[in-house]
Amino acid sequence: EADIYQTPRYLVIGTGKKITLECSQTMGHDKMYWYQQDPGMELHLIHYSYGVNSTEKGDLSSESTVSRIRTEHFPLTLESARPSHTSQYLCASSPGQGAHEQYFGPGTRLTVT
Amino acid sequence: SQKIEQNSEALNIQEGKTATLTCNYTNYSPAYLQWYRQDPGRGPVFLLLIRENEKEKRKERLKVTFDTTLKQSLFHITASQPADSATYLCALGNSNTGKLIFGQGTTLQVKP
Repeated sequence: EADIYQTPRYLVIGTGKKITLECSQTMGHDKMYWYQQDPGMELHLIHYSYGVNSTEKGDLSSESTVSRIRTEHFPLTLESARPSHTSQYLCASSPGQGAHEQYFGPGTRLTVT
Repeated sequence: SQKIEQNSEALNIQEGKTATLTCNYTNYSPAYLQWYRQDPGRGPVFLLLIRENEKEKRKERLKVTFDTTLKQSLFHITASQPADSATYLCALGNSNTGKLIFGQGTTLQVKP
């Protein structure tokens, strides 16, 4: 079992609210990722980080923002949630340089009403 | 643009048979390719990684092939079991960034 955690697992929230999805890993991995996945669809990369104070947007445009102040922590924030943000959000991490597998958290299922 | 194709139709097979899943890609030259398993409501779990200079990789009942000329990978599960029922994702990798591009996945159903 991978040591990567996401909270909350499920979140139902009203439009306009600010939310933060938490992601933590205890493996000391430099690289971390956020993906968005709708049912039956592929994972889309929305943010990634190479290390502390390094964040970049992914291939899928997202209104969310991320921060990486500590190696183990990579939170994602939505300043004003909308129904279009309803989705599954998956966090992952991987070690060092080169080809490595990614370790995924259990995901956060977000529903914006 | 880059495109990964996995069979969107579910694959139904009998227990004990070999399951073969296909991953085709275009407009990309990955340094490596990975296969993941995803159960409903869970995050993907890594299964196998194969590099561009490797033709085949095995792990227990799993085997993956990688043909960079055909731009195709095949994923085999031998002696399949009902517990193998899940969605299997193909992902193309970039060695410099570690970023992956995922396919939509193929759902495998193994019937007892």
